[in-house]
Amino acid sequence: GAVVSQHPSRVICKSGTSVKIECRSLDFQATTMFWYRQFPKQSLMLMATSNEGSKATYEQGVEKDKFLINHASLTLSTLTVTSAHPEDSSFYICSAIGGEPTDTQYFGPGTRLTVL
Amino acid sequence: AQSVTQLGSHVSVSEGALVLLRCNYSSSVPPYLFWYVQYPNQGLQLLLKYTTGATLVKGINGFEAEFKKSETSFHLTKPSAHMSDAAEYFCAVTFGGSQGNLIFGKGTKLSVKP
Repeated sequence: GAVVSQHPSRVICKSGTSVKIECRSLDFQATTMFWYRQFPKQSLMLMATSNEGSKATYEQGVEKDKFLINHASLTLSTLTVTSAHPEDSSFYICSAIGGEPTDTQYFGPGTRLTVL
Repeated sequence: AQSVTQLGSHVSVSEGALVLLRCNYSSSVPPYLFWYVQYPNQGLQLLLKYTTGATLVKGINGFEAEFKKSETSFHLTKPSAHMSDAAEYFCAVTFGGSQGNLIFGKGTKLSVKP
């Protein structure tokens, strides 16, 4: 149990376009989902926390107009990178809480974004 | 300030040797402690965690970790390394029993030599 999926696993886009990444909890209802960004050879940096039906809470320094997060249901959260630029290229990972046990975040497999 | 420190960004061991990955935290409230493993181009997989109770925690793949409050440590060990253990390992902490706000260490890359 407690499986989280992400789609797509890898995406390449042109500078200026927008990219949507989906995060799904497959076998549990995710009360809270998190979005992280990981730069090469570095740790995960929390970007935002989202609860179903409410606005996401962004970490300091994260542009909420650039990284749009929607948590429309208890099993789906989306991250849209708007007007992507090469510096947005990164590994984006989501996680979710709600499976058992409830004190543990379960992570998706990540999405590799490359902006040309 | 609450923080997590992983000593050694890169650890190399021989196959069959002891694995020791170090993690220390600083906090004024009781921590929940986690170790995650990340294989190349993949997400994070939970290895083990400590919340309350027994301080020696056993996880998957033969790993275990011991919470030592006096040393503010949660080091990860495995008696005998296997080639498949080569990966990046992250120590993470939440404080005050919260379900979110995971704070990650910078990670330790484990290499296993044949």
